[in-house]
Amino acid sequence: DTGVSQDPRHKITKRGQNVTFRCDPISEHNRLYWYRQTLGQGPEFLTYFQNEAQLEKSRLLSDRFSAERPKGSFSTLEIQRTEQGDSAMYLCASSFLGTEDYGYTFGSGTRLTVV
Amino acid sequence: DAKTTQPPSMDCAEGRAANLPCNHSTISGNEYVYWYRQIHSQGPQYIIHGLKNNETNEMASLIITEDRKSSTLILPHATLRDTAVYYCIASGYSGYALNFGKGTSLLVTP
Repeated sequence: DTGVSQDPRHKITKRGQNVTFRCDPISEHNRLYWYRQTLGQGPEFLTYFQNEAQLEKSRLLSDRFSAERPKGSFSTLEIQRTEQGDSAMYLCASSFLGTEDYGYTFGSGTRLTVV
Repeated sequence: DAKTTQPPSMDCAEGRAANLPCNHSTISGNEYVYWYRQIHSQGPQYIIHGLKNNETNEMASLIITEDRKSSTLILPHATLRDTAVYYCIASGYSGYALNFGKGTSLLVTP
């Protein structure tokens, strides 16, 4: 297994356009998380899935944001009508909820720049 | 989750032990202390976690005070590759919304 993969690594978009990011978690992990990180700050929680169910969403996740995880495998995060304030690193992580806790495994992130 | 407090930055000489402190005075009885680090331009990496006993793995040791109000992450022989931002997080077991804060920026120097 090559870990958590995120695509694309970088995305530049014009204000008002829609963008979609993809995350492929570690295959046996049943939890998947999305975080956002701006310059100089630590990652901030956006949402998470357990299998295919989206169980929690942060208030940071406005109506313009939507995340899916069909069939409990890969996940997508879509931002509609992007704004300059959406510029950030979007991080995906996965973990296995079981009797042992091995922490999250993060991907390398998708850096979004809205111009 | 309880708030944690970390110094914004620390230096350490290569080959020496790096001791990174964290205060979590309001931690509740069922909250664990997790440590992650983030090397520039990469996603965070899990290091270690503990509840009340000291823990050690191949990456680091975690020392938690008896009253659980503070902890120290120890990198026994720091290398240049350990230069990173280190985050101390208090969270329930397998918590889903980790509060990373700003962490401690550790610079390991030759």
